[in-house]
Amino acid sequence: DSGVTQTPKHLITATGQRVTLRCSPRSGDLSVYWYQQSLDQGLQFLIQYYNGEERAKGNILERFSAQQFPDLHSELNLSSLELGDSALYFCASSVGQGRYENTEAFFGQGTRLTVV
Amino acid sequence: EDKVVQSPLSLVVHEGDTVTLNCSYEVTNFRSLLWYKQEKKAPTFLFMLTSSGIEKKSGRLSSILDKKELFSILNITATQTGDSAIYLCAVFSNSGYALNFGKGTSLLVTP
Repeated sequence: DSGVTQTPKHLITATGQRVTLRCSPRSGDLSVYWYQQSLDQGLQFLIQYYNGEERAKGNILERFSAQQFPDLHSELNLSSLELGDSALYFCASSVGQGRYENTEAFFGQGTRLTVV
Repeated sequence: EDKVVQSPLSLVVHEGDTVTLNCSYEVTNFRSLLWYKQEKKAPTFLFMLTSSGIEKKSGRLSSILDKKELFSILNITATQTGDSAIYLCAVFSNSGYALNFGKGTSLLVTP
């Protein structure tokens, strides 16, 4: 158990809908990263937050947004869902930011999103 | 653009064999390289490498980084069926915050 908690584990929803994925980082970790993993793609970086502030953006669609709350948990919001959004969504956390400091990152179990 | 390339993409070996997985990278201002093992779901952290030539070891797994040639290898000796997984390599750089992943090597260990 990495200590990173993601809910829900599975989510099935229809096209056009909106969902929220939740991540609680390990105790003491300030950074949260969101990744998308599809069958034919590796782990694609979406967005990173550090201590409540957005730090980096990857290939995140405009239909997707995220935030990190004062208690450091994070939520990834996916809207106007399309079939192609079906994937595993992972959250990872680390103590540091990854830039200018060495930090290990630990992953949650992921949320499997299926859009039908 | 930063690039992390793993090879081979896929590997099938017999139990007891030794395997070497490769990870090469082209990143601006390299910071650290991390190895993960992904079985059914979450990638599990294995090693973090920051200095050249220092071997990290955990049981039958070991890894080394060559910062001059820009690559890392992950060795698994006396493989077991439980080593079957996708092994992921990822890099932190000082020019970005996020972990940049390679596509992974899929390892299958047959009895």
